[in-house]
Amino acid sequence: DTAVSQTPKYLVTQMGNDKSIKCEQNLGHDTMYWYKQDSKKFLKIMFSYNNKELIINETVPNRFSPKSPDKAHLNLHINSLELGDSAVYFCASSQIGSGYTFGSGTRLTVV
Amino acid sequence: TQLLEQSPQFLSIQEGENLTVYCNSSSVFSSLQWYRQEPGEGPVLLVTVVTGGEVKKLKRLTFQFGDARKDSSLHITAAQPGDTGLYLCAYAGGTSYGKLTFGQGTILTVHP
Repeated sequence: DTAVSQTPKYLVTQMGNDKSIKCEQNLGHDTMYWYKQDSKKFLKIMFSYNNKELIINETVPNRFSPKSPDKAHLNLHINSLELGDSAVYFCASSQIGSGYTFGSGTRLTVV
Repeated sequence: TQLLEQSPQFLSIQEGENLTVYCNSSSVFSSLQWYRQEPGEGPVLLVTVVTGGEVKKLKRLTFQFGDARKDSSLHITAAQPGDTGLYLCAYAGGTSYGKLTFGQGTILTVHP
């Protein structure tokens, strides 16, 4: 199936830990994103990569570090997790004329 | 301040009723997009409106872009429980890697 797939679906971890979320798209899109959805369902962009280059970094703490090994993958590593990082994180990709496609999300719970 | 103001925030209706969700702004947009997000899933693009005054239909869903391209509405006729979800309007940046800026969303619940 053509899609944006992200893993894991759920992530429960303790404060202070480091964790990663992986994302892959097989749509051939040039641009990939990470969005954060808070408890009020508000979606906000965190990062955007175009052909492996960082394009957008929206005032995100340095503890969040995206990495794009190739244009089909965009991973998100989070250091020293805090309670406030609990949210649903969505990976997405886009291409002119094709619109945006979102993954099904990773629900991160920091305890 | 929100670039896109959506209303209402919550809507709880009975099956068969009609409803309208609004997406307003003081800014002019080249286009607006509407998404639906179901629980446990990511947003799925429903439609993009581009021309001022444009009306697009998707089965029982009717989308309208304001004449001045500052606002949009989504009207659902004879709502069904399957329409339940979070409805989001969004504005995309002008390039292929333009970020999506979302409204706050409208949580719709349709009761059988």
